[in-house]
Amino acid sequence: DGGITQSPKYLFRKEGQNVTLSCEQNLNHDAMYWYRQDPGQGLRLIYYSQIVNDFQKGDIAEGYSVSREKKESFPLTVTSAQKNPTAFYLCASSRDRHLSYEQYFGPGTRLTVT
Amino acid sequence: AQTVTQSQPEMSVQEAETVTLSCTYDTSESDYYLFWYKQPPSRQMILVIRQEAYKQQNATENRFSVNFQKAAKSFSLKISDSQLGDAAMYFCAYRRYPNAGKSTFGDGTTLTVKP
Repeated sequence: DGGITQSPKYLFRKEGQNVTLSCEQNLNHDAMYWYRQDPGQGLRLIYYSQIVNDFQKGDIAEGYSVSREKKESFPLTVTSAQKNPTAFYLCASSRDRHLSYEQYFGPGTRLTVT
Repeated sequence: AQTVTQSQPEMSVQEAETVTLSCTYDTSESDYYLFWYKQPPSRQMILVIRQEAYKQQNATENRFSVNFQKAAKSFSLKISDSQLGDAAMYFCAYRRYPNAGKSTFGDGTTLTVKP
């Protein structure tokens, strides 16, 4: 089955530690995205990548970093510089960076930092 | 910059009835795509329906249909014969065309379905 996987589903970390969230897709999609969702709120874009070895900051990139070394993978690192890292994180992909195809979403990772 | 506004934070509907969720957007582009996504309690985002701005005909998918008013920049979602499984948060989203880049999402509308 094709799709997007995010692991783990729940992640707990101590304040001051960096943590990396995994996102893998086997849909052969060019573009990938990371969103943050806080309780009862919409999606805010953290980073996106339209092609391998290239990525752009979204609306709330501070305290986060990404890499796109492979087409299938777009890991997100939440650094200790992120002031309020506890949130639900969604990864998404879309077929073609030039066209406006819909985004496909992973199941999300709930990160709790204490 | 594009903005998407969902003015109804919460809506409720009786099972089997019809409900309409509102969405307005602001853009200077002439070509773009609009989407409605559903996020049930599992939090898995699912595409409900897609509308290309160049198409005058409103998109439909089974019980889901849209009322796309390009001049008014309005894109409402109508759910007919509401079912308990329709209970979810619904997000309206915009993507420009071509060179989509990032999407812009509204803040969402939480839909409750009453049995």
